[in-house]
Amino acid sequence: DADVTQTPRNRITKTGKRIMLECSQTKGHDRMYWYRQDPGLGLRLIYYSFDVKDINKGEISDGYSVSRQAQAKFSLSLESAIPNQTALYFCATATGDNQPQHFGDGTRLSIL
Amino acid sequence: AQTVTQSQPEMSVQEAETVTLSCTYDTSESDYYLFWYKQPPSRQMILVIRQEAYKQQNATENRFSVNFQKAAKSFSLKISDSQLGDAAMYFCAYRSAYRYGGSQGNLIFGKGTKLSVKP
Repeated sequence: DADVTQTPRNRITKTGKRIMLECSQTKGHDRMYWYRQDPGLGLRLIYYSFDVKDINKGEISDGYSVSRQAQAKFSLSLESAIPNQTALYFCATATGDNQPQHFGDGTRLSIL
Repeated sequence: AQTVTQSQPEMSVQEAETVTLSCTYDTSESDYYLFWYKQPPSRQMILVIRQEAYKQQNATENRFSVNFQKAAKSFSLKISDSQLGDAAMYFCAYRSAYRYGGSQGNLIFGKGTKLSVKP
C-alpha cells in the first residue's frame, strides 16, 4: 500500500492567513487527490492531478489552489483562509483509474 | 452527474451480530466501481471492500460482504460477527470507469453511516 504522509496533522490559524497543506507519497503513484470532509457531508473533491503537468479542479475548488512539485508531492493552499474552510482535509493517491485510492491520515484545519 | 446516497445516518449493532449498511447510487453509466471505506475515530480512511460493476459475483473480504444489485443501483455492506473495532463511520463511494468530462474517474462519496457496536 501507498505510504501517504500529510503535514501538519492539525493546524489552527486566523482568518486571512495563507495556509499550505502538504502531501507526499513514497510508492510512485501518479494520481493524487485533495478532499475536504465536513460533518454530515462526506468527502468532496477539491483538486486532482494525474501527473506533474496535469492538474484539474474538482467539485469545490473555489478558494483553493494546488501545486504538484514532483510526482511524489502535492500541496494544497488556501490563499486567504476563511472560517468556512474549517474542515478535515485528506490527500489520496492511486496507481490507475481502476485502482483504489489510498488516503493519508488527514489534516484537521481550524480557522478562527 | 452521479450521486451516492446513504440513507442511514446512524446504525447500531450488538457485538457478534450482523448488520447491513445501505447505499444507493444514481448513474447512467454501465461500467463503474463501488467501494466501502471505513473511518474509525482515528480518522484514517480505510478501504473495506471493492466491487466492479461488470462482475455479477458479490465481493467478500472476511467478515465483510456486499449485496450488489446493479439494476436496482444498490450496494449494501454486510458486517458479520460484529466486533467492537468495527465501530466507525462507513462511506460508500462510486467511481466511473470512464475518463471523460468532469468525472475523470474520481470518487464520489455518500454522506456516511455512523456504526456503533454495543458490547
